[in-house]
Amino acid sequence: DTGVSQDPRHKITKRGQNVTFRCDPISEHNRLYWYRQTLGQGPEFLTYFQNEAQLEKSRLLSDRFSAERPKGSFSTLEIQRTEQGDSAMYLCASSKTSSSYEQYFGPGTRLTVT
Amino acid sequence: AQSVTQLGSHVSVSEGALVLLRCNYSSSVPPYLFWYVQYPNQGLQLLLKYTSAATLVKGINGFEAEFKKSETSFHLTKPSAHMSDAAEYFCAVSLKAAGNKLTFGGGTRVLVKP
Repeated sequence: DTGVSQDPRHKITKRGQNVTFRCDPISEHNRLYWYRQTLGQGPEFLTYFQNEAQLEKSRLLSDRFSAERPKGSFSTLEIQRTEQGDSAMYLCASSKTSSSYEQYFGPGTRLTVT
Repeated sequence: AQSVTQLGSHVSVSEGALVLLRCNYSSSVPPYLFWYVQYPNQGLQLLLKYTSAATLVKGINGFEAEFKKSETSFHLTKPSAHMSDAAEYFCAVSLKAAGNKLTFGGGTRVLVKP
């Protein structure tokens, strides 16, 4: 069990550029969640997948954001036309539906939009 | 919809003293409750969880929490603080019917004084 991994750990981009983050969940975890955490705040839910199906998207996920989990394993989160307000830590978590529902978090990707 | 309130954004304790972090939740149905810890620039680590079994839950690193339905509370305690407990702590709630996505409180930053 290698834990949840995220890549990159840090990303600095200029406003207007597109960025893509990757999350590799714990193997055999069929649920994968994305959260966003701004400085001094608790994480906020963005979206989640069960296997390859995206089951829910938060209203925080504007149309500039898209997430995929094409084969039910790793997931990507893309932000198009980044804005300074997108600067945050993007956290990925995974869980088994058959467990006690605890989610295991990755180290996060810190995005800075200049 | 569920919500979480953590009383006190900052708590300062002396090494060896009791740590008490307060969490109150709001939910229309019995929720699952969690405490996570976050060290600087890292993801979240699960400390403990309540999933409708015993109301007194023991977690890692000597932490425990008690679920009190009548008070809608899930306060976190540790009898004796250690310097390594300095971190940010988040209380979270999830509902099975809502895909088990986590709703977090605003967090409490713990400072441990020698």
